[in-house]
Amino acid sequence: EAAVTQSPRNKVAVTGGKVTLSCNQTNNHNNMYWYRQDTGHGLRLIHYSYGAGSTEKGDIPDGYKASRPSQENFSLILELATPSQTSVYFCASGTGQLYFGEGSKLTVL
Amino acid sequence: QQKVQQSPESLIVPEGGMASLNCTSSDRNVDYFWWYRQHSGKSPKMLMSIFSNGEKEEGRFTVHLNKASLHTSLHIRDSQPSDSALYLCAASPSNYNVLYFGSGTKLTVEP
Repeated sequence: EAAVTQSPRNKVAVTGGKVTLSCNQTNNHNNMYWYRQDTGHGLRLIHYSYGAGSTEKGDIPDGYKASRPSQENFSLILELATPSQTSVYFCASGTGQLYFGEGSKLTVL
Repeated sequence: QQKVQQSPESLIVPEGGMASLNCTSSDRNVDYFWWYRQHSGKSPKMLMSIFSNGEKEEGRFTVHLNKASLHTSLHIRDSQPSDSALYLCAASPSNYNVLYFGSGTKLTVEP
């Protein structure tokens, strides 16, 4: 079974603070993704990557940056967190069949 | 506007009944469809994929695809309480491109 690990699993941040969500995959997949999930919206694509050094904007990239320093690691960075970014964030790797991490619940107060 | 629309938003079926879920893409570039299942508090996991017109069956699960109308449907026969979950439809222009997800159908199977 493909393995995708996210950290932290739960995070409480203050408005204006910086938040980094990390993702590690041991599947040797080129493609990695960050989605957020809110009730009524399903999964919305924030950023994705085709490999180390590459990041691409998804449907809702505003307020988020991404970093792919290696094949295994893909981070999502919120430089100035806002309450509207309170959500559950999922990292995934793969093509077609995606393998998801367990999710990171972020609360911005 | 989301590229993938799902209906209904929620569905309640009795145990042993048939559940039918629908998904349509508004993006004429998509060519590939997947169905994912997400149990409460868990991450999504791929259930089935379909890339060609027609029907595909795996156990109690059947998916249909009509490429002309960009419509796919998932049918679950003999529904079980363990089938209660959020079902997400995803579409992509190719098997190697990003996946766009719908907002999901919440299925509840009542004993």
